[in-house]
Amino acid sequence: GESVGLHLPTLSVQEGDNSIINCAYSNSASDYFIWYKQESGKGPQFIIDIRSNMDKRQGQRVTVLLNKTVKHLSLQIAATQPGDSAVYFCAENNRGFQKLVFGTGTRLLVSP
Amino acid sequence: DSGVTQTPKHLITATGQRVTLRCSPRSGDLSVYWYQQSLDQGLQFLIQYYNGEERAKGNILERFSAQQFPDLHSELNLSSLELGDSALYFCASSGQAGQGTGELFFGEGSRLTVL
Repeated sequence: GESVGLHLPTLSVQEGDNSIINCAYSNSASDYFIWYKQESGKGPQFIIDIRSNMDKRQGQRVTVLLNKTVKHLSLQIAATQPGDSAVYFCAENNRGFQKLVFGTGTRLLVSP
Repeated sequence: DSGVTQTPKHLITATGQRVTLRCSPRSGDLSVYWYQQSLDQGLQFLIQYYNGEERAKGNILERFSAQQFPDLHSELNLSSLELGDSALYFCASSGQAGQGTGELFFGEGSRLTVL
């Protein structure tokens, strides 16, 4: 069945460190993956996406890695800042299902 | 600001009642999605409309219904409310018909509390 899970519910880092948020998915037919950031009291905000024909994609301070062999997705945030403190969700889409399946989220806490 | 507007931001009501949540998508976006987020839970997809027609359905209860109007705004109707319906309800929009073809733009949500 479809399921998207996260290894760690809370990740605490120091300002300036690199953060890595992990996500496991079980649907091998998923062909599109997205990371969203949700700050307290706000709606999720798109960070970066990646298609299954890629294994890495970089954005501004963020990198998403996709390992289809072990069905694992990660979000790397470079030089983490206090403003990065939020809940991060990964989501997967199997084009046949026409819907995004979201994980339960990882809370990132950044200490100054 | 995502450009997606949701009203009301907060709503408190009693069990058995009915409420309507409203969403205005980003200008030009044809797709509207509704998600439910319970405390410490992920986002559960409820339903999607594209240009006025139902496009995809998720785990939406029979007590819930939605529609998208000709001006593209959407309403989510929740009836016979139960305590477990208390949650954040998010609306999102996109310019695409499918969810696998681009980012979704989320509103700030409507927080429903059922007492």
